[in-house]
Amino acid sequence: GEDVEQSLFLSVREGDSSVINCTYTDSSSTYLYWYKQEPGAGLQLLTYIFSNMDMKQDQRLTVLLNKKDKHLSLRIADTQTGDSAIYFCADLSGTYKYIFGTGTRLKVLA
Amino acid sequence: EAGVAQSPRYKIIEKRQSVAFWCNPISGHATLYWYQQILGQGPKLLIQFQNNGVVDDSQLPKDRFSAERLKGVDSTLKIQPAKLEDSAVYLCASSLATGPYEQYFGPGTRLTVT
Repeated sequence: GEDVEQSLFLSVREGDSSVINCTYTDSSSTYLYWYKQEPGAGLQLLTYIFSNMDMKQDQRLTVLLNKKDKHLSLRIADTQTGDSAIYFCADLSGTYKYIFGTGTRLKVLA
Repeated sequence: EAGVAQSPRYKIIEKRQSVAFWCNPISGHATLYWYQQILGQGPKLLIQFQNNGVVDDSQLPKDRFSAERLKGVDSTLKIQPAKLEDSAVYLCASSLATGPYEQYFGPGTRLTVT
């Protein structure tokens, strides 16, 4: 079946940029999403990108998509302690099925 | 606008017992999802409803799991009998319709099977 992979951990200093990476296998991907999950809470949609785009910027967030390599990244500028959470990449296939990655735990050091 | 509601928030049961989870989606949302999130993993779709019909239940272990959304609003997910490997957070989400619409997630129910 289709798969979405992410690195498990990322640690950055407050004020630095964070880059979280994701690779996927689905060739029929329509949209790709980034979600944030804080402890004890459900997932919150941060941003998304249509599969025929290569970049999207939304305030401190920049999403880059390399469709040829099936690689997605999320850059958070000026990372704050409140950004500490688990970040999930998700793929929406052509049959409208969501596949989530394993999540990257971001720790922001003060 | 009220968010997706789930209850209970926590449940501890012994293996072979049964358990049920309840979800109330955002008003007007036709599509409802149940996900299983095992510790350290991403959410895995168990079942997706469009109104009161099942769109996808390919990853639902149908020998022990069942779900219903009888009036196209609230939904219940049941496990009977539970196994140790069912310990997870069960997340409910809803969206306006099936397709590239934002999913809104509830806080989840944390199930521990001992």
